[in-house]
Amino acid sequence: GAVVSQHPSRVICKSGTSVKIECRSLDFQATTMFWYRQFPKQSLMLMATSNEGSKATYEQGVEKDKFLINHASLTLSTLTVTSAHPEDSSFYICSAGFRPPRGTDTQYFGPGTRLTVL
Amino acid sequence: LAKTTQPISMDSYEGQEVNITCSHNNIATNDYITWYQQFPSQGPRFIIQGYKTKVTNEVASLFIPADRKSSTLSLPRVSLSDTAVYYCLVGEGNTGKLIFGQGTTLQVKP
Repeated sequence: GAVVSQHPSRVICKSGTSVKIECRSLDFQATTMFWYRQFPKQSLMLMATSNEGSKATYEQGVEKDKFLINHASLTLSTLTVTSAHPEDSSFYICSAGFRPPRGTDTQYFGPGTRLTVL
Repeated sequence: LAKTTQPISMDSYEGQEVNITCSHNNIATNDYITWYQQFPSQGPRFIIQGYKTKVTNEVASLFIPADRKSSTLSLPRVSLSDTAVYYCLVGEGNTGKLIFGQGTTLQVKP
């Protein structure tokens, strides 16, 4: 249980184009979803917190007009990188919060999406 | 914002028990402690979570002292496939936000 998927797993695009990444919780309804990015040899950096039906909360320094987040349902959140540039090339990872019958919210992570902007 | 401190790296040999300690001096009353494992080019994988004392599952144990200012992840009899980065995280209260530190790179040698 608590499986999170991401699509696509890898994408290559030209500079100036927009790329959409989907994050789905497959066997549970997520209380909250989160988006991270990770550069080579570095740790994960939280970009934003996403709740179904409301606007995402972005971390300081993350441009909300650049990284559009839509959380259409309790199982789907999307991240759109608009007008992508080479410096946006990174590994993007989502996570979904799962609350078991007993215990606290636990985040389960997707497999990640490798974005390369040429 | 509760931060965590872990050793940057550790080496071990196959079959040994590995203990990774994490400091979280500013942990809040309602924060849980969660450990994740990450392999290159993959998302972090949940290992174990606890609030206090000891928690054990099929892959690891988590020891948390009474003051909760630190925790120790224990991996019994590691194998080469346990070579990975291990992150200790403290949940940010009701928001559930997790702020990743640098993690501990564990290298298991034959």
